Amino acid sequence: DAKTTQPTSMDCAEGRAANLPCNHSTISGNEYVYWYRQIHSQGPQYIIHGLKNNETNEMASLIITEDRKSSTLILPHATLRDTAVYYCIVTGGYQKVTFGIGTKLQVIP
Amino acid sequence: DVKVTQSSRYLVKRTGEKVFLECVQDMDHENMFWYRQDPGLGLRLIYFSYDVKMKEKGDIPEGYSVSREKKERFSLILESASTNQTSMYLCASSGGVATYNEQFFGPGTRLTVL
Repeated sequence: DAKTTQPTSMDCAEGRAANLPCNHSTISGNEYVYWYRQIHSQGPQYIIHGLKNNETNEMASLIITEDRKSSTLILPHATLRDTAVYYCIVTGGYQKVTFGIGTKLQVIP
Repeated sequence: DVKVTQSSRYLVKRTGEKVFLECVQDMDHENMFWYRQDPGLGLRLIYFSYDVKMKEKGDIPEGYSVSREKKERFSLILESASTNQTSMYLCASSGGVATYNEQFFGPGTRLTVL
């Protein structure tokens, strides 16, 4: 069973914030939320991860709801180079990491 | 910069051939992974290794084997390639004890089996 649910695709205007949602209603206390993205013809690239608190780095922000059942990845000023497939992953302990199908984000000029 | 390299970007093999896909990482990472990626199915884990000579099955190990004789190198072996193994193969590595730590991916090998 999939641990996360993401929309299949989304569009975002260039320069605007891209907000990518992820539902993970069965997340357990020791599991982290990780985000990766995959630009066409390349391997996936790590973006950010979090446990309970919101996180920010040079690429993005991660907002996790208080009950931890959902999260949102925010790209504050989307550029054409942010067009990619974005994967939300829930993992922890010594579990193997499972990538789903992800959200295909298209940034439109 | 972490570097994960894969032996070939493109490979064409015939049905029944034995195929070796090689992956090398230069960051002294404990964990290494092999995935395949197919349209509409996302990335699926084939095998992973958390130490030299150690291996664990992923979600789709059938038809594949792996070898990790040195820490930096993780090989994926198709004993007898079949057309349904035509796919993009991605190798990754991560450091530390936890296998979920940030993974660094190679560029991928697109394998075609005729």
